Amino acid sequence: DVKVTQSSRYLVKRTGEKVFLECVQDMDHENMFWYRQDPGLGLRLIYFSYDVKMKEKGDIPEGYSVSREKKERFSLILESASTNQTSMYLCATYRGQGARWRGGTEAFFGQGTRLTVV
Amino acid sequence: AQRVTQPEKLLSVFKGAPVELKCNYSYSGSPELFWYVQYSRQRLQLLLRHISRESIKGFTADLNKGETSFHLKKPFAQEEDSAMYYCALSGTLTGKLIFGQGTTLQVKP
Repeated sequence: DVKVTQSSRYLVKRTGEKVFLECVQDMDHENMFWYRQDPGLGLRLIYFSYDVKMKEKGDIPEGYSVSREKKERFSLILESASTNQTSMYLCATYRGQGARWRGGTEAFFGQGTRLTVV
Repeated sequence: AQRVTQPEKLLSVFKGAPVELKCNYSYSGSPELFWYVQYSRQRLQLLLRHISRESIKGFTADLNKGETSFHLKKPFAQEEDSAMYYCALSGTLTGKLIFGQGTTLQVKP
């Protein structure tokens, strides 16, 4: 069983704080993703990484950065949290081929982190 | 542009009724289409993928390249099918998995 673990289920942070969301996977998958999930907007891709120290911007990277120092860990960083970053954040992982999609593969998701910025 | 559109936010049906969740996509290359499902208080998980041509929990989906659609169907809905359903796309042009807006399926007793 693939395990994708996000460090926190619920977080409450103040405006302006620096926030770290951690994701760890135990299946040696190359590709890791961070999405935010909002009602009516679906899952929107923030950043993804297809190798250690590699990262690419997704569709909504503004206000976020990421770090991938080890293959199993992918961190999402909110440099200065704002109220419009209140959301559910989902980490996902799957076996890839560098920057290319590996046909037929399945993505595995963490349980999500509900972040509230006050 | 690569895009997935799910036109319905909410689909409400009675138990035993047929279900069709719509998904349309825009993609220039060879797409791979998926349906993911999120049951209450559970993590998002794969339901089915078009390349497998499988039926999972009674659900099927056919890729129609002419209409660029990948609608999810089930002939007789069950209460346990109530969940959020996401259509997703990837393929040869990208390493990303792109999701639609999601449709909440509510099956009433």
